[in-house]
Amino acid sequence: DIQMTQSPSTLSASVGDRVTITCRASQSISSWLAWYQQKPGKAPKLLIYKASSLDSGVPSRFSGSGSGTEFTLTISSLQPDDFATYYCQQYNSYPYSFGQGTKLEIK
Amino acid sequence: QVQLQESGPGLVKPSETLSLICTVSGYSISSGYYWGWIRQPPGKGLEWIGIIFHSGNTYCNPSLKSRVTISVDTSKNQFSLKLSSVTAADTAIYYCAKTGTGYNTNWGQGTLVTVSS
Repeated sequence: DIQMTQSPSTLSASVGDRVTITCRASQSISSWLAWYQQKPGKAPKLLIYKASSLDSGVPSRFSGSGSGTEFTLTISSLQPDDFATYYCQQYNSYPYSFGQGTKLEIK
Repeated sequence: QVQLQESGPGLVKPSETLSLICTVSGYSISSGYYWGWIRQPPGKGLEWIGIIFHSGNTYCNPSLKSRVTISVDTSKNQFSLKLSSVTAADTAIYYCAKTGTGYNTNWGQGTLVTVSS
C-alpha cells in the first residue's frame, strides 16, 4: 500500500501570507494526486487533481505542483476563507489513500 | 449538478452490520464513473473504504479485512455500503462520493454512524 505523509501537521499563518503544504508518497504515484479542503462539519471539497489541475470554480490563488513522490499545495495569498484542513490523496493504485491532513490556522 | 445523500441508521450495535445507502441525483449512475465510500472518525483524518463502477466492479480497502461489501442499484440510482462485525473503531462520519478517475469530485454531506451497545 502507498503511504501519504503531509507536512506540517499544523500551520499558523496570517491573511495575505503565501503558504505551502507538502505531501510525500512512499512510492512513485506519477501525477495521480488530488488535494481537498475541509472545513469543520463539512465534507471535503476537491481543489486540485492530477497534481496541478485546478477544479472548476477554485480560486487561482491555489496551485499544485510535483510528480513522482513529492507534491506541494501553495496558496499564494491567504484569505480568511482558506483557514481549514487540507488533505492530499493518491489515486495511482489501490487502495487509494489520504495524507493525515494539515490544519491551517490563523496566526 | 450532481448531488449525493447518505442515509442509514446512526447507531449500530457492536458485532452487527452497518448499512448505508447513497442516493445520487443530477446524474445517472448508469452513465459511468466510479462511486466511492470514505470515512472519517471524529476529529481524525480520512480513510478510503472502496469504490464501485456502474457495472458492479468493486475494489475495497484490504485494511477492512473483507468486512466491506459495496453494491449498486442502477434502477434506483443508488449505491450502498455494508460493513460487518463492527466495533467502536468503526464509529465515523461516512461519506459517499462520485469518483471520477480516482479523485472525488462530488461528496455527500456525510452521516455519523456510532457503534455502541
